[in-house]
Amino acid sequence: AQTVTQSQPEMSVQEAETVTLSCTYDTSESNYYLFWYKQPPSRQMILVIRQEAYKQQNATENRFSVNFQKAAKSFSLKISDSQLGDTAMYFCAFMKPLISGTYKYIFGTGTRLKVLA
Amino acid sequence: GAVVSQHPSWVICKSGTSVKIECRSLDFQATTMFWYRQFPKQSLMLMATSNEGSKATYEQGVEKDKFLINHASLTLSTLTVTSAHPEDSSFYICSARAPSEGGNTEAFFGQGTRLTVV
Repeated sequence: AQTVTQSQPEMSVQEAETVTLSCTYDTSESNYYLFWYKQPPSRQMILVIRQEAYKQQNATENRFSVNFQKAAKSFSLKISDSQLGDTAMYFCAFMKPLISGTYKYIFGTGTRLKVLA
Repeated sequence: GAVVSQHPSWVICKSGTSVKIECRSLDFQATTMFWYRQFPKQSLMLMATSNEGSKATYEQGVEKDKFLINHASLTLSTLTVTSAHPEDSSFYICSARAPSEGGNTEAFFGQGTRLTVV
C-alpha cells in the first residue's frame, strides 16, 4: 500500500526567507502524480503545485518549487520569499490511477507552517 | 481553475437526526467525487469514492449504511450522515477530479462542512 510521510509537524520561517517542507512516499507504481496542497485557516484546500512522476524536471510555480527525487521517493516543497499569507497547513499528496478508471489520493499528515513578521 | 461548491459550510444537529451535505461541480462534469473526513489538526481520510450512476466505493472501516452517498448527476454528489451521534462531529470535505492542461488531472476541493452533533 502507498504511504505518504511528512516528518515535520510544524515549521516556522521569517518573512522573505526560504523554507523547505519534506515529503517522502512509498509506492511500487511507476505512473503516479504528486501534489502539494495548502490548507489555510479557512480550511479550503488549495493546490500549490503538482509533479508528474514521468517528468524528470522539477515543477515550479512562482515562489513555489519542488525537489523531486524519484529514486529516493522524495518530494520536497521549497517556498521562496515567504509571505505572511503562506501561513497554513501543507499536505503532500500521492495520486495513482486505478484499474477502474478512477484515481486514488493519499495524503500525508501535514506540516503546519507559520510565517513570522 | 475548476470550482467545487459544498453546502452547508457548517451545520449543528441533534443526536439521532440525519444531515445531508451537498457537493457540486460548478463548471465541469465530475464522474467521480471523493468524500473525506478531517479530524482537528489531522490529515484528510478518504471515506468513499462517489461514482455517478453507480454505487459508491467505501474505504475499509467506513459504514456505508451510516454514511449514505448518492451521485445522481454529473455535477452533484451528496453525503448523508444518518442517525448522527456526537462522535460523527467532524469536518467533511468533498473533492472532484477535473481534467486540466496536458490531460493531467487534479482534485479540486469544496469549502468543507463542519458538522457538530449535540
